[in-house]
Amino acid sequence: AQKITQTQPGMFVQEKEAVTLDCTYDTSDPSYGLFWYKQPSSGEMIFLIYQGSYDQQNATEGRYSLNFQKARKSANLVISASQLGDSAMYFCAMRPWNTDKLIFGTGTRLQVFP
Amino acid sequence: GAGVSQSPRYKVAKRGQDVALRCDPISGHVSLFWYQQALGQGPEFLTYFQNEAQLDKSGLPSDRFFAERPEGSVSTLKIQRTQQEDSAVYLCASSLGFRITGGGRETQYFGPGTRLLVL
Repeated sequence: AQKITQTQPGMFVQEKEAVTLDCTYDTSDPSYGLFWYKQPSSGEMIFLIYQGSYDQQNATEGRYSLNFQKARKSANLVISASQLGDSAMYFCAMRPWNTDKLIFGTGTRLQVFP
Repeated sequence: GAGVSQSPRYKVAKRGQDVALRCDPISGHVSLFWYQQALGQGPEFLTYFQNEAQLDKSGLPSDRFFAERPEGSVSTLKIQRTQQEDSAVYLCASSLGFRITGGGRETQYFGPGTRLLVL
């Protein structure tokens, strides 16, 4: 069965430091997409970054980068230079190859302290 | 606004009551999705439209749940005879195209959600 696993229920990081949020996935699809979303307390899911399974390079978007290790089926999110506004829930999601729906993990709550 | 909007933002219903949740996608977006997010969990897929066609409703938990998008724009998720287990946040998302047109990287943009509490 296709599944996303986020093993860190909560993470703490000091402002200006980098933090890695873990995500592993389970699929036998020939191709798939991987996404990270941020969900602040307001509830809206904000798209952060995308990685295609055939992309040769790791995706980067500003302070966000995705450490994609296909053989290990991991897609960890790295946030550099953390800011107080980064405090939120972070969800990893996968889109299987033959559908447009997303499969989400259970999320990691990140708290950034001064 | 330019984003996905949902209404109402909060809904309290008595058990057995029918509710209707509305989603206004980003203008011009072809695809529209509904997800259910229980407390402390990630969103779970409910159903998906491409224009007015409902292509996948495999995630709807029971026949009490019904969704429509009659003109390929606004969508309504209806829950009949609500039960306490229906209490959750209902998220709507839209995307400009779909997996094939976007080369696999079609991004879904989410609305703020409707928080439903069934008493």
